[in-house]
Amino acid sequence: GQQLNQSPQSMFIQEGEDVSMNCTSSSIFNTWLWYKQDPGEGPVLLIALYKAGELTSNGRLTAQFGITRKDSFLNISASIPSDVGIYFCAGLGYSGGGADGLTFGKGTHLIIQP
Amino acid sequence: EAGVVQSPRYKIIEKKQPVAFWCNPISGHNTLYWYLQNLGQGPELLIRYENEEAVDDSQLPKDRFSAERLKGVDSTLKIQPAELGDSAVYLCASSLGSGRWGEQFFGPGTRLTVL
Repeated sequence: GQQLNQSPQSMFIQEGEDVSMNCTSSSIFNTWLWYKQDPGEGPVLLIALYKAGELTSNGRLTAQFGITRKDSFLNISASIPSDVGIYFCAGLGYSGGGADGLTFGKGTHLIIQP
Repeated sequence: EAGVVQSPRYKIIEKKQPVAFWCNPISGHNTLYWYLQNLGQGPELLIRYENEEAVDDSQLPKDRFSAERLKGVDSTLKIQPAELGDSAVYLCASSLGSGRWGEQFFGPGTRLTVL
């Protein structure tokens, strides 16, 4: 199935550094979301974006919905050890029967060195 | 508020055997999704339910996979017979309707290993 282009695939950073990752699509989405997944668990929703151009923050996390509706980025400021995990972007379209399933990126694996 | 519940968490079976996964969504969530997640990949949609109706099952391999959501609450996903390539994590998610569809909440998943 289709997956979004998410980059980078992995990041090795020092604790306290800022992190930036992005996601692009060839298709337009009405909603962009960012999830974090820890080993052995399901994805946990971090931020949902509903309008093109929207910039939304959740604590140290900031995400933006691209103007073209084909991209989004996520920034994490002042990283801490518990930020380790895999971050997924996801796009959502709407069909006549309601919201479609999410289309996910392949994930960005964040590794923090103390 | 209780989250999405899935069972079992782990399942190991031999190929050609049947297997079933169960999901209980968040109370009040009318929309339920089953996703497949292969190692190193993001989840991919298998089927979406609006209440008890399967409104999108285009990605469900219907020759061996089946799903049901009787009474519009709990759901079961079945594979019969299982193949080696079915080894993956099967995730269930649920969401509210009315403009908040995007906010899908996931269960912990069932990790299936087919030997």
